[in-house]
Amino acid sequence: GENVEQHPSTLSVQEGDSAVIKCTYSDSASNYFPWYKQELGKGPQLIIDIRSNVGEKKDQRIAVTLNKTAKHFSLHITETQPEDSAVYFCAAPYTGRRALTFGSGTRLQVQP
Amino acid sequence: GAGVSQSPRYKVAKRGQDVALRCDPISGHVSLFWYQQALGQGPEFLTYFQNEAQLDKSGLPSDRFFAERPEGSVSTLKIQRTQQEDSAVYLCASSLIASQETQYFGPGTRLLVL
Repeated sequence: GENVEQHPSTLSVQEGDSAVIKCTYSDSASNYFPWYKQELGKGPQLIIDIRSNVGEKKDQRIAVTLNKTAKHFSLHITETQPEDSAVYFCAAPYTGRRALTFGSGTRLQVQP
Repeated sequence: GAGVSQSPRYKVAKRGQDVALRCDPISGHVSLFWYQQALGQGPEFLTYFQNEAQLDKSGLPSDRFFAERPEGSVSTLKIQRTQQEDSAVYLCASSLIASQETQYFGPGTRLLVL
């Protein structure tokens, strides 16, 4: 099945700085890559996703890049704010299934 | 409703008790997923429904876990004879059509087995 690795596990930045989280995946057939934000006591919230027919997608301060050759994708958050503090998960389709395989998460702390 | 809802939000059970967790997906969503999230980990797949049909239950950890979606909307995850290792957050997600990958998650049910 799909294996998704995510790093770093923790990331601390100053308010206004940029944050980058990286993920690699194993199944070259994967074609959909979502990113979720999870706040304490809440379920994961989809923040952005990308499909394999594009290399980059941007939504205001959030962007995702995809390198299919290298099988990795990254989340970029610019002008970070304290409310960006949360755990972020990348995911990819589980090989042969409808389900998603998730990375282990990155705890982002934005210092005011 | 506006989003996926789950109940109860918190459940404390004594080891050996049976529990039932409910998921109300977004109205009209065909696909429904259950995931288990251990503390500090990412969600892990348990089972998948397309309407009322359970198409994939390969992630269920043991035969003590059972899920159903009899009318193709609300789903229940049942855990029999709970064990301490069942303590986790159980997440439900739904998607609009069978071929759509985008999944929307509920708030989860936090289960603690003592």
